Amino acid sequence: KQEVTQIPAALSVPEGENLVLNCSFTDSAIYNLQWFRQDPGKGLTSLLLIQSSQREQTSGRLNASLDKSSGRSTLYIAASQPGDSATYLCAVLPLMDSSYKLIFGSGTRLLVRP
Amino acid sequence: EAQVTQNPRYLITVTGKKLTVTCSQNMNHEYMSWYRQDPGLGLRQIYYSMNVEVTDKGDVPEGYKVSRKEKRNFPLILESPSPNQTSLYFCASSFVVQGFSEQYFGPGTRLTVT
Repeated sequence: KQEVTQIPAALSVPEGENLVLNCSFTDSAIYNLQWFRQDPGKGLTSLLLIQSSQREQTSGRLNASLDKSSGRSTLYIAASQPGDSATYLCAVLPLMDSSYKLIFGSGTRLLVRP
Repeated sequence: EAQVTQNPRYLITVTGKKLTVTCSQNMNHEYMSWYRQDPGLGLRQIYYSMNVEVTDKGDVPEGYKVSRKEKRNFPLILESPSPNQTSLYFCASSFVVQGFSEQYFGPGTRLTVT
Protein backbone atom coordinates (compact mmCIF):
# COMPACT_ATOMS: atom_id res chain seq x y z
CA LYS A 1 0.00 0.00 0.00
CA GLN A 2 1.41 3.35 -1.07
CA GLU A 3 2.22 5.74 1.78
CA VAL A 4 3.42 9.31 1.47
CA THR A 5 5.31 11.07 4.25
CA GLN A 6 6.24 14.73 4.47
CA ILE A 7 8.94 16.12 6.71
CA PRO A 8 8.95 18.48 8.50
CA ALA A 9 5.33 18.81 9.56
CA ALA A 10 5.83 22.50 10.22
CA LEU A 11 8.50 25.02 9.37
CA SER A 12 9.03 28.66 10.32
CA VAL A 13 11.65 30.72 8.50
CA PRO A 14 12.52 34.40 8.14
CA GLU A 15 11.72 36.10 4.86
CA GLY A 16 14.37 35.69 2.19
CA GLU A 17 15.57 32.23 3.18
CA ASN A 18 15.82 29.40 0.71
CA LEU A 19 14.09 26.28 1.97
CA VAL A 20 13.50 22.65 1.12
CA LEU A 21 10.40 20.59 1.79
CA ASN A 22 10.71 16.82 1.72
CA CYS A 23 8.34 14.13 0.51
CA SER A 24 8.92 10.38 0.54
CA PHE A 25 6.80 7.55 -0.82
CA THR A 26 7.00 3.81 -0.29
CA ASP A 27 6.24 2.42 -3.77
CA SER A 28 8.15 3.68 -6.80
CA ALA A 29 5.45 2.48 -9.23
CA ILE A 30 3.88 5.87 -9.89
CA TYR A 31 2.56 7.79 -12.91
CA ASN A 32 3.59 11.14 -11.52
CA LEU A 33 4.05 13.27 -8.42
CA GLN A 34 2.33 16.58 -7.85
CA TRP A 35 3.02 19.39 -5.36
CA PHE A 36 0.12 21.48 -4.13
CA ARG A 37 -0.34 24.53 -1.99
CA GLN A 38 -3.31 24.90 0.35
CA ASP A 39 -4.18 28.08 2.21
CA PRO A 40 -6.22 27.66 5.41
CA GLY A 41 -9.71 26.40 4.62
CA LYS A 42 -9.14 26.89 0.93
CA GLY A 43 -8.68 24.80 -2.18
CA LEU A 44 -5.64 22.98 -3.52
CA THR A 45 -3.53 24.91 -5.99
CA SER A 46 -1.28 22.78 -8.17
CA LEU A 47 2.30 24.03 -8.13
CA LEU A 48 4.31 21.47 -10.09
CA LEU A 49 3.77 18.11 -11.75
CA ILE A 50 6.67 15.72 -12.29
CA GLN A 51 6.05 12.74 -14.55
CA SER A 52 7.70 9.46 -13.51
CA SER A 53 10.25 9.76 -16.33
CA GLN A 54 11.32 13.25 -15.28
CA ARG A 55 13.87 14.33 -12.68
CA GLU A 56 12.77 17.88 -11.97
CA GLN A 57 10.42 20.71 -12.83
CA THR A 58 10.77 24.43 -12.27
CA SER A 59 8.26 27.25 -12.02
CA GLY A 60 9.49 30.67 -10.98
CA ARG A 61 11.04 30.41 -7.51
CA LEU A 62 9.94 26.79 -7.15
CA ASN A 63 11.92 23.73 -8.15
CA ALA A 64 10.75 20.19 -7.55
CA SER A 65 12.90 17.10 -7.96
CA LEU A 66 11.99 13.44 -8.16
CA ASP A 67 14.14 10.41 -7.39
CA LYS A 68 11.77 7.59 -8.08
CA SER A 69 14.17 4.80 -7.24
CA SER A 70 14.68 6.10 -3.72
CA GLY A 71 11.07 7.23 -3.31
CA ARG A 72 11.87 10.87 -2.67
CA SER A 73 10.89 14.30 -3.89
CA THR A 74 11.92 17.73 -2.72
CA LEU A 75 10.34 21.12 -3.24
CA TYR A 76 12.85 23.94 -3.18
CA ILE A 77 11.56 27.46 -2.58
CA ALA A 78 14.03 30.24 -3.30
CA ALA A 79 13.98 33.62 -1.58
CA SER A 80 10.90 32.87 0.49
CA GLN A 81 8.24 35.55 1.01
CA PRO A 82 5.44 35.95 3.59
CA GLY A 83 2.98 35.20 0.80
CA ASP A 84 4.48 31.71 0.57
CA SER A 85 2.99 30.89 3.98
CA ALA A 86 0.63 27.95 3.44
CA THR A 87 0.48 24.18 3.76
CA TYR A 88 2.35 22.31 1.04
CA LEU A 89 1.12 18.88 0.06
CA CYS A 90 2.77 16.32 -2.15
CA ALA A 91 0.76 13.59 -3.81
CA VAL A 92 1.63 10.58 -5.94
CA LEU A 93 -0.52 8.87 -8.55
CA PRO A 94 0.09 5.11 -8.19
CA LEU A 95 0.40 2.97 -11.31
CA MET A 96 -1.52 -0.04 -10.05
CA ASP A 97 -4.70 1.64 -8.80
CA SER A 98 -7.68 1.61 -11.15
CA SER A 99 -9.32 4.49 -9.26
CA TYR A 100 -6.44 6.78 -10.24
CA LYS A 101 -6.73 8.54 -6.93
CA LEU A 102 -3.90 10.70 -5.63
CA ILE A 103 -2.22 9.56 -2.42
CA PHE A 104 -1.43 12.63 -0.35
CA GLY A 105 1.09 13.29 2.35
CA SER A 106 -0.06 15.03 5.50
CA GLY A 107 1.60 18.27 4.44
CA THR A 108 4.22 20.74 5.65
CA ARG A 109 2.83 23.88 7.24
CA LEU A 110 5.12 26.76 6.25
CA LEU A 111 5.28 30.13 7.95
CA VAL A 112 7.51 32.81 6.45
CA ARG A 113 8.09 35.61 8.96
CA PRO A 114 8.47 39.19 7.67
CA GLU B 1 -9.56 30.49 -17.75
CA ALA B 2 -9.13 26.76 -17.14
CA GLN B 3 -10.82 25.89 -13.90
CA VAL B 4 -12.89 23.57 -11.76
CA THR B 5 -15.84 25.24 -10.08
CA GLN B 6 -17.91 24.02 -7.15
CA ASN B 7 -21.16 25.26 -5.69
CA PRO B 8 -22.03 26.06 -3.05
CA ARG B 9 -18.78 27.03 -1.37
CA TYR B 10 -20.30 26.87 2.09
CA LEU B 11 -23.37 24.99 3.26
CA ILE B 12 -24.95 24.41 6.64
CA THR B 13 -27.79 21.92 6.65
CA VAL B 14 -29.69 19.56 8.93
CA THR B 15 -29.59 15.81 9.19
CA GLY B 16 -31.61 14.06 6.53
CA LYS B 17 -32.16 16.98 4.15
CA LYS B 18 -31.02 15.94 0.69
CA LEU B 19 -28.42 18.14 -0.95
CA THR B 20 -26.31 18.32 -4.09
CA VAL B 21 -22.88 19.85 -4.50
CA THR B 22 -22.17 20.71 -8.10
CA CYS B 23 -18.82 20.42 -9.85
CA SER B 24 -18.02 21.66 -13.32
CA GLN B 25 -14.80 21.81 -15.35
CA ASN B 26 -14.13 23.65 -18.61
CA MET B 27 -11.02 21.73 -19.73
CA ASN B 28 -12.72 18.81 -21.49
CA HIS B 29 -11.19 16.39 -18.97
CA GLU B 30 -12.34 12.79 -19.08
CA TYR B 31 -11.53 12.01 -15.45
CA MET B 32 -13.29 13.59 -12.49
CA SER B 33 -13.35 12.66 -8.83
CA TRP B 34 -14.53 13.75 -5.41
CA TYR B 35 -12.47 13.88 -2.22
CA ARG B 36 -13.22 14.82 1.33
CA GLN B 37 -10.65 16.33 3.65
CA ASP B 38 -10.81 15.82 7.40
CA PRO B 39 -8.31 16.78 10.12
CA GLY B 40 -5.99 13.88 10.88
CA LEU B 41 -7.37 11.79 8.01
CA GLY B 42 -6.15 13.83 5.06
CA LEU B 43 -7.83 13.63 1.66
CA ARG B 44 -9.87 10.55 0.86
CA GLN B 45 -11.50 9.73 -2.44
CA ILE B 46 -15.29 9.33 -2.44
CA TYR B 47 -16.17 8.56 -6.06
CA TYR B 48 -14.54 8.89 -9.44
CA SER B 49 -15.54 8.89 -13.09
CA MET B 50 -13.41 7.90 -16.06
CA ASN B 51 -15.86 9.40 -18.57
CA VAL B 52 -19.53 10.10 -19.23
CA GLU B 53 -21.77 7.45 -17.67
CA VAL B 54 -18.73 5.69 -16.13
CA THR B 55 -18.52 6.09 -12.37
CA ASP B 56 -17.11 3.98 -9.55
CA LYS B 57 -16.61 3.99 -5.81
CA GLY B 58 -13.53 5.36 -4.14
CA ASP B 59 -12.40 4.65 -0.60
CA VAL B 60 -15.30 6.24 1.31
CA PRO B 61 -18.46 6.09 -0.85
CA GLU B 62 -21.01 5.32 1.88
CA GLY B 63 -23.75 7.94 2.07
CA TYR B 64 -22.91 9.53 -1.29
CA LYS B 65 -24.08 9.24 -4.88
CA VAL B 66 -22.76 10.72 -8.08
CA SER B 67 -23.76 10.98 -11.72
CA ARG B 68 -21.90 11.85 -14.90
CA LYS B 69 -24.43 12.69 -17.61
CA GLU B 70 -22.25 15.32 -19.23
CA LYS B 71 -18.50 15.42 -19.57
CA ARG B 72 -18.11 18.74 -17.79
CA ASN B 73 -20.32 18.08 -14.74
CA PHE B 74 -19.95 15.66 -11.84
CA PRO B 75 -22.40 16.44 -9.01
CA LEU B 76 -22.09 14.88 -5.57
CA ILE B 77 -25.39 13.95 -3.96
CA LEU B 78 -26.01 13.35 -0.28
CA GLU B 79 -29.44 11.71 -0.08
CA SER B 80 -29.69 11.83 3.72
CA PRO B 81 -26.78 13.79 5.20
CA SER B 82 -25.51 12.93 8.65
CA PRO B 83 -23.18 14.83 11.01
CA ASN B 84 -20.25 12.52 10.13
CA GLN B 85 -20.41 13.96 6.61
CA THR B 86 -19.39 17.36 7.92
CA SER B 87 -16.19 17.97 5.97
CA LEU B 88 -14.37 19.97 3.30
CA TYR B 89 -15.15 18.54 -0.13
CA PHE B 90 -13.05 18.85 -3.26
CA CYS B 91 -13.77 18.01 -6.86
CA ALA B 92 -10.86 17.26 -9.18
CA SER B 93 -10.37 16.60 -12.88
CA SER B 94 -7.66 15.64 -15.36
CA PHE B 95 -6.96 14.15 -18.76
CA VAL B 96 -6.40 10.39 -18.96
CA VAL B 97 -5.58 9.92 -22.62
CA GLN B 98 -1.91 8.99 -23.08
CA GLY B 99 -1.29 8.96 -19.35
CA PHE B 100 -2.49 11.12 -16.53
CA SER B 101 -1.91 14.82 -16.64
CA GLU B 102 -1.94 17.36 -13.85
CA GLN B 103 -5.00 17.09 -11.64
CA TYR B 104 -6.91 20.31 -11.08
CA PHE B 105 -8.89 20.85 -7.92
CA GLY B 106 -11.90 23.01 -7.26
CA PRO B 107 -12.00 25.65 -4.49
CA GLY B 108 -13.73 23.34 -2.04
CA THR B 109 -17.16 23.15 -0.41
CA ARG B 110 -17.30 23.35 3.35
CA LEU B 111 -20.31 21.35 4.52
CA THR B 112 -21.68 21.34 8.04
CA VAL B 113 -24.46 18.90 8.94
CA THR B 114 -26.18 19.54 12.28
